[in-house]
Amino acid sequence: DGGITQSPKYLFRKEGQNVTLSCEQNLNHDAMYWYRQDPGQGLRLIYYSQIVNDFQKGDIAEGYSVSREKKESFPLTVTSAQKNPTAFYLCASTIRDRSSPLHFGNGTRLTVT
Amino acid sequence: AQSVSQHNHHVILSEAASLELGCNYSYGGTVNLFWYVQYPGQHLQLLLKYFSGDPLVKGIKGFEAEFIKSKFSFNLRKPSVQWSDTAEYFCAADFNDYKLSFGAGTTVTVRA
Repeated sequence: DGGITQSPKYLFRKEGQNVTLSCEQNLNHDAMYWYRQDPGQGLRLIYYSQIVNDFQKGDIAEGYSVSREKKESFPLTVTSAQKNPTAFYLCASTIRDRSSPLHFGNGTRLTVT
Repeated sequence: AQSVSQHNHHVILSEAASLELGCNYSYGGTVNLFWYVQYPGQHLQLLLKYFSGDPLVKGIKGFEAEFIKSKFSFNLRKPSVQWSDTAEYFCAADFNDYKLSFGAGTTVTVRA
């Protein structure tokens, strides 16, 4: 089955540590996205990538970094500079067409203490 | 700035009641509009979308939405809800830049 795999489902880290969230898709989609979901705030875009080796900042990129070395992979690193990292993180992908919907992964819930 | 706003944070209704969720956007150009749904424990999935043509679009599970350009709105409707419609609903827009901006979401609770 084609889809998007995010791992792990739950992640716990100590404050001050960087942590990398995995996102892999086998849908052959060009574009990939990282969103952060917080209660009452909906989904906010962190980073997105339209093609391999290229990515752009979204609305809340500070404290995060990404890479897009392969078409199927778009890992997100939450750095120690992110002031409020505890959240639910969603990865999505789509073909590069404005009318095409996003396909979402099941998310990773990150808790930083 | 471009944005999407949803008017209701939490809606509670009984089975067979009608549902309407408001969504407005701020942008003067061409926009593609979407409604997504997140059922408890499941990933986000597309309910319906509008990108051109008939402003009344029909989606899955009996949902429909109407694009009213003059009001910058894309409200979601369902004539008769079921308990299984309990979920969180998100309105989203592509403001001609190949990325989606989402509203804050509306939690819908349907009582049996």
